[in-house]
Amino acid sequence: GAGVSQSPSNKVTEKGKDVELRCDPISGHTALYWYRQSLGQGLEFLIYFQGNSAPDKSGLPSDRFSAERTGGSVSTLTIQRTQQEDSAVYLCASSTPWGQPMNTEAFFGQGTRLTVV
Amino acid sequence: GENVEQHPSTLSVQEGDSAVIKCTYSDSASNYFPWYKQELGKRPQLIIDIRSNVGEKKDQRIAVTLNKTAKHFSLHITETQPEDSAVYFCAASRYGQNFVFGPGTRLSVLP
Repeated sequence: GAGVSQSPSNKVTEKGKDVELRCDPISGHTALYWYRQSLGQGLEFLIYFQGNSAPDKSGLPSDRFSAERTGGSVSTLTIQRTQQEDSAVYLCASSTPWGQPMNTEAFFGQGTRLTVV
Repeated sequence: GENVEQHPSTLSVQEGDSAVIKCTYSDSASNYFPWYKQELGKRPQLIIDIRSNVGEKKDQRIAVTLNKTAKHFSLHITETQPEDSAVYFCAASRYGQNFVFGPGTRLSVLP
């Protein structure tokens, strides 16, 4: 597709269950970001992938959170043993390096709204 | 690492008035500064951006100014309209990579 695609758009899960959130970036974009946005709050950085470099995981809030990016394209954010405080919208974005023919901006997906009950 | 601050956190203006949102950044190597608008329940979308080789950029009713020496940049919206009501995020990056976002400004345009 033309934009960043995230799935599922909504996810309700029981406390203690594991969840996987998926992000399909724009084709050719080498950078991929995950952010978390609680209701009415800002964009909390979680993790950043750039090409084949080691990801910047400095924003992951606990070891229950992990992410991978396979083949430099699709990314999966996994939250293990979900807690109620994990409830938020999880946004993925992708971008391409400066100097590439495509725009430099970060394009966001529509987000996955996670509700832990 | 980069740190971006943004002020004010909330801003209310009368329709037709101007709105100004200010951001500061810490990394002097940052050279790309986009502004995103997020309407309620929607994804953030780019509205304007500026690179460090220019001091100002305008697009109709919106403009961004950059002061590299002071490491701050501002968003200016003139002739505000109700549809400008949203949350606005500034960001800083090096070469369009590793974006660091400000905490956001909730703008309300009052009719």
